[in-house]
Amino acid sequence: EVQLVESGGGLVQPGGSLRLSCAASGFTFSSSWMHWVRQAPGKGLVWVSRISTDGSSATYADSVRGRFTISRDDAKNKLYLQMNNLRAEDTAVYYCARGRYGDYAWGQGTLVTVSS
Amino acid sequence: QTVVTQEPSLSVSPGGTVTLTCGLSSASVSTSVYPSWYQQTPGQAPRTLIYRTDTRSSGVPDRFSGSILGNKAALTITGAQADDECDYYCVVNVGLGIWLFGGGTKLTVL
Repeated sequence: EVQLVESGGGLVQPGGSLRLSCAASGFTFSSSWMHWVRQAPGKGLVWVSRISTDGSSATYADSVRGRFTISRDDAKNKLYLQMNNLRAEDTAVYYCARGRYGDYAWGQGTLVTVSS
Repeated sequence: QTVVTQEPSLSVSPGGTVTLTCGLSSASVSTSVYPSWYQQTPGQAPRTLIYRTDTRSSGVPDRFSGSILGNKAALTITGAQADDECDYYCVVNVGLGIWLFGGGTKLTVL
């Protein structure tokens, strides 16, 4: 069974940093394209970032490019999202998802709150 | 700036059929942008219904179907049930490895 478990969320001040993790199991992580998707409270889903199977290709939404970095550790079956210079508008539940063409398997999400 | 458009809200009668659509502000939606559909109930993670236009995800009943209608992607629900009342989102690949979600459709079954 595919399992994705996000962690690392919490309360952080504006301008601060946070690293999210996503532990994967039940599938061949190294062969999977991975994404981060977020959802602000009461709002819709927003695609954040994607990384290729070998980590050589990473893409970002305009709203996070230059501040967020996606990475993966295939030896640990883990996906990461390093978030720097956080803003209030980054407050959201962050989901990791596995899939290449929209065939996402989803985690349960981790809440990030950016507030002073 | 490209925007993915969805109906903000729709309603359907129990047992009825409803079609949700997913459009692109800058172009027609085709199979080449891999339109996909997700269902989400409040407080829960999304669930994948349809990917790559018309492929049903594992365990999704066949009353959910995906297609291209004109210049938009479409999700059709036939035989609507009470527990279909929730939010539905589409996503498309707009190129260069960038994906965009639509704003979502809140479906009411009444």
